[in-house]
Amino acid sequence: GAVVSQHPSRVICKSGTSVKIECRSLDFQATTMFWYRQFPKQSLMLMATSNEGSKATYEQGVEKDKFLINHASLTLSTLTVTSAHPEDSSFYICSAGTSGKDTQYFGPGTRLTVL
Amino acid sequence: GESVGLHLPTLSVQEGDNSIINCAYSNSASDYFIWYKQESGKGPQFIIDIRSNMDKRQGQRVTVLLNKTVKHLSLQIAATQPGDSAVYFCAETEAAGNKLTFGGGTRVLVKP
Repeated sequence: GAVVSQHPSRVICKSGTSVKIECRSLDFQATTMFWYRQFPKQSLMLMATSNEGSKATYEQGVEKDKFLINHASLTLSTLTVTSAHPEDSSFYICSAGTSGKDTQYFGPGTRLTVL
Repeated sequence: GESVGLHLPTLSVQEGDNSIINCAYSNSASDYFIWYKQESGKGPQFIIDIRSNMDKRQGQRVTVLLNKTVKHLSLQIAATQPGDSAVYFCAETEAAGNKLTFGGGTRVLVKP
């Protein structure tokens, strides 16, 4: 149980385009989903916290108009990187949790490369 | 807070030996701590967790120790195997289900 998937696993796009990444909880309902970014040889940096049906809470320094987060259902959250640039190239990871429960379960990550 | 570094500290360990990975945290209000294992190109995988009202918890081949006095967390892996080679992160939160703050990570390399 507690499986989280991400799609796509890998994406290459041209500078200026937008990319959507999906995060799904496959066998449980996720009241909260978290989006992280990880650069090579670095730790995970939280970008935003997303609660189902409400607006995401962004961490300081993360542009909410550039990284659009939607959490429309208890099993799906999406992250859209708008007008992507090479500096947005990174490994994006989501995690999902249930209110009152301890553990967050992580997705396998999405490797974004912007040319 | 967040931990960012240009490189990860590395622990090299002989197969079959025990490994100890350390983590210092700064938030005295943190109540829940987790260790994750991350293999190359994959998402973090839950290993073991501990609440602040405990100082030790054991799992299968892994033990987590928590010293709240000095804000220190450690992960012990018994009889380290090649499959244990990965990057290990500690994470902390003030309440279960809330956002996590990750440590900088330690790379474990298991030598055959």
